[in-house]
Amino acid sequence: AQSVTQLGSHVSVSEGALVLLRCNYSSSVPPYLFWYVQYPNQGLQLLLKYTTGATLVKGINGFEAEFKKSETSFHLTKPSAHMSDAAEYFCAVSFFTGGGNKLTFGTGTQLKVEL
Amino acid sequence: GAGVSQTPSNKVTEKGKYVELRCDPISGHTALYWYRQSLGQGPEFLIYFQGTGAADDSGLPNDRFFAVRPEGSVSTLKIQRTERGDSAVYLCASSLGSSGTDTQYFGPGTRLTVL
Repeated sequence: AQSVTQLGSHVSVSEGALVLLRCNYSSSVPPYLFWYVQYPNQGLQLLLKYTTGATLVKGINGFEAEFKKSETSFHLTKPSAHMSDAAEYFCAVSFFTGGGNKLTFGTGTQLKVEL
Repeated sequence: GAGVSQTPSNKVTEKGKYVELRCDPISGHTALYWYRQSLGQGPEFLIYFQGTGAADDSGLPNDRFFAVRPEGSVSTLKIQRTERGDSAVYLCASSLGSSGTDTQYFGPGTRLTVL
């Protein structure tokens, strides 16, 4: 079965600093990979996804992630943090088998941005 | 356009009672998913519908949980004889199709509290 590990349940950065949120997955077949963001009292919003093709994926709000098969990783980065980036971030994986696209999520990383 | 909506936003019930949670997907979306998010955890898959039929219900924890989507649009998650361990946020997501590249759009969730 597939699984997702997010290292660091809480990450704190200064405004303007680099954001790096880590995600590793386990898989025996090529996965589809996703990052979602959850603001308080709101639904999950897709930041970016990797399905096939280019391994560096750009998403909304200046975020990007790189699929590294050799490291089974899909870390999320943003060059310069903004106060509005404070939220919870979830990495997810799916394996399309022709019977739907159910997502397996990590436990999430709470990002705090400080002045 | 309108996103995924879920009602009620909050539900408080007593142990042993029956509850229904409703999901209105984005119009035209054929795939619908239910997830459950416990405190401090990522969402966990419950069930997936393609059209009117439940194509994958492998995530339902036991036979107290049941879901329907009779007309291929609105879905209802039903929980019988609720237990305190059922307390969680129940999330609904819909997507245009069910391939690995189809983005799932999430609703804001229903927070269920079982006293």
